[in-house]
Amino acid sequence: QKEVEQNSGPLSVPEGAIASLNCTYSDRVSQSFFWYRQYSGKSPELIMSIYSNGDKEDGRFTAQLNKASQYVSLLIRDSQPSDSATYLCAVKGLGNKLVFGAGTILRVKS
Amino acid sequence: DTGVSQDPRHKITKRGQNVTFRCDPISEHNRLYWYRQTLGQGPEFLTYFQNEAQLEKSRLLSDRFSAERPKGSFSTLEIQRTEQGDSAMYLCASSSRALGLEQYFGPGTRLTVT
Repeated sequence: QKEVEQNSGPLSVPEGAIASLNCTYSDRVSQSFFWYRQYSGKSPELIMSIYSNGDKEDGRFTAQLNKASQYVSLLIRDSQPSDSATYLCAVKGLGNKLVFGAGTILRVKS
Repeated sequence: DTGVSQDPRHKITKRGQNVTFRCDPISEHNRLYWYRQTLGQGPEFLTYFQNEAQLEKSRLLSDRFSAERPKGSFSTLEIQRTEQGDSAMYLCASSSRALGLEQYFGPGTRLTVT
């Protein structure tokens, strides 16, 4: 079992819709959770961090964390074609490294 | 505030050659990380520095790989006797505990070993 799992996609949504990206993790001691966006050929860009159970909103983005279920998600409201990218879920445990999932490809169709 | 910078952005080398990459972190960040990313995968952790001390190394970091951060500012990652399997994007990230746990990535160095 991989430490951080994401559906590879592609996830296709129409412009203006809500995109829902999911991630599960195996290490119960994980403390911090991050979502990165990566455009093709570019480096990962941090878009959200979440540390406590519940929801965290930032503009069109909402991160949701459920530590009991070992599940973290990212919602993108009013999806735009510019949101088309690979979304990486990253988990930090007791150490300092981030463990990444393989990413979910999101395609927003105009 | 400038972000993380990496040099070179692209490197093509022949198998068996040595290569060295440089990373300059965000100026107020005392933590620096190296990751490697291959196509279709997420970044994989290689090593971590706090100031000039190398505190964590991945098992992925074979003895052909070495990293330094001599003065606690920029860092170098050297790969000796490169192999075709070393072809990847090498990413540097930095963070500051005082400013939060978030890691910010540089643009990466894409290595191609022929």
